[in-house]
Amino acid sequence: AQKVTQAQTEISVVEKEDVTLDCVYETRDTTYYLFWYKQPPSGELVFLIRRNSFDEQNEISGRYSWNFQKSTSSFNFTITASQVVDSAVYFCALSDRGSTLGRLYFGRGTQLTVWP
Amino acid sequence: NAGVTQTPKFRVLKTGQSMTLLCAQDMNHEYMYWYRQDPGMGLRLIHYSVGEGTTAKGEVPDGYNVSRLKKQNFLLGLESAAPSQTSVYFCASSYSVLAGDEQFFGPGTRLTVL
Repeated sequence: AQKVTQAQTEISVVEKEDVTLDCVYETRDTTYYLFWYKQPPSGELVFLIRRNSFDEQNEISGRYSWNFQKSTSSFNFTITASQVVDSAVYFCALSDRGSTLGRLYFGRGTQLTVWP
Repeated sequence: NAGVTQTPKFRVLKTGQSMTLLCAQDMNHEYMYWYRQDPGMGLRLIHYSVGEGTTAKGEVPDGYNVSRLKKQNFLLGLESAAPSQTSVYFCASSYSVLAGDEQFFGPGTRLTVL
């Protein structure tokens, strides 16, 4: 069965601090995809990144970076030098070949609050 | 390109009332999905569609019906609304069935059932 766990319900940091959001996943499939979405206070879902199970290279995009470790089934997301605009709910999600037509299995989300 | 649009954006219903949420996409996607988002629960799949005229149940289908009469539209119906259906509803679409294809999400509909 597929499962995504985001153990951190809420995180608060002060601006310019680095913060890491944890994501642990479960799947029996060897081919799968992992996603991160951002949901700002306005409510829409913003796609951040997609990684497949065969590419364990870490990725950096500006202040965002992702650490994918198959050995620990984790796909963690780090924001460097956080800003108030980073305040949002962040969702980790999984899709695999057993998924219903590419459906996404979401974690429960982590509410990040960045204080000025 | 409008992407995925949803109407209405907000709605308040009384218990027992019915309503239909409309999702429209202009990307010629075959696959469409309805999710609901509840506090602390992430998003859960209600129903999905693999193409015009076809629909199937997802993880939490009870109390909902759907229709896909046109490729670009996916309707979610509540025949007799219940307070437990108070939620934010997201529609999504994707180009193909391959796992990993990005799903494009609409802006959401916030529904309150009193």
